[in-house]
Amino acid sequence: GAGVSQSPSNKVTEKGKDVELRCDPISGHTALYWYRQSLGQGLEFLIYFQGNSAPDKSGLPSDRFSAERTGGSVSTLTIQRTQQEDSAVYLCASSWLAGAGYNEQFFGPGTRLTVL
Amino acid sequence: DQQVKQNSPSLSVQEGRISILNCDYTNSMFDYFLWYKKYPAEGPTFLISISSIKDKNEDGRFTVFLNKSAKHLSLHIVPSQPGDSAVYFCAAHGDSGNTPLVFGKGTRLSVIA
Repeated sequence: GAGVSQSPSNKVTEKGKDVELRCDPISGHTALYWYRQSLGQGLEFLIYFQGNSAPDKSGLPSDRFSAERTGGSVSTLTIQRTQQEDSAVYLCASSWLAGAGYNEQFFGPGTRLTVL
Repeated sequence: DQQVKQNSPSLSVQEGRISILNCDYTNSMFDYFLWYKKYPAEGPTFLISISSIKDKNEDGRFTVFLNKSAKHLSLHIVPSQPGDSAVYFCAAHGDSGNTPLVFGKGTRLSVIA
């Protein structure tokens, strides 16, 4: 049983370039989340998908950030015109659809993004 | 304003002793609290949870205590082992399924042999 996978594991880019980060959730998990962890900070919520729709985009820090999910599976987080403050570890998580109860999310290993 | 706070960035404990990691929260709408453990270069892994209707949940060496009136929870690890050395994150969410987790900044635990 494969867990959540993310690619690339590391990405170094120049300021102003666009980057795409990919997440493959656990098969059958309908909910998918993106978080990021900047140096010395906790995990900051970015966006959440239920199926292919995104009920909560409230954490996206600016309009340079966007995400999509196709086929209820793979998700891509795109950052346009990257800035140095975008440097962080971007973590993806997935979980089963649940009406109530605690929401155990399963995390991928993350993508470490460095913007020079 | 941080809704989940872990005020100790680091903690050092001797092997065999008890580790106590603390977490405070401000949002009274939180219904579930989770602890995650994170090793370097890996994603966080779920450790233990507690719902707001309980004050204690135990799983092997790990026990989580919740004091709802004080909006405080703690994770106890006993006995601590060197393999427990990691960053521990406290997280919380409301009563609806699939809501995003709100995380604290984490506490780095070092268990010294």
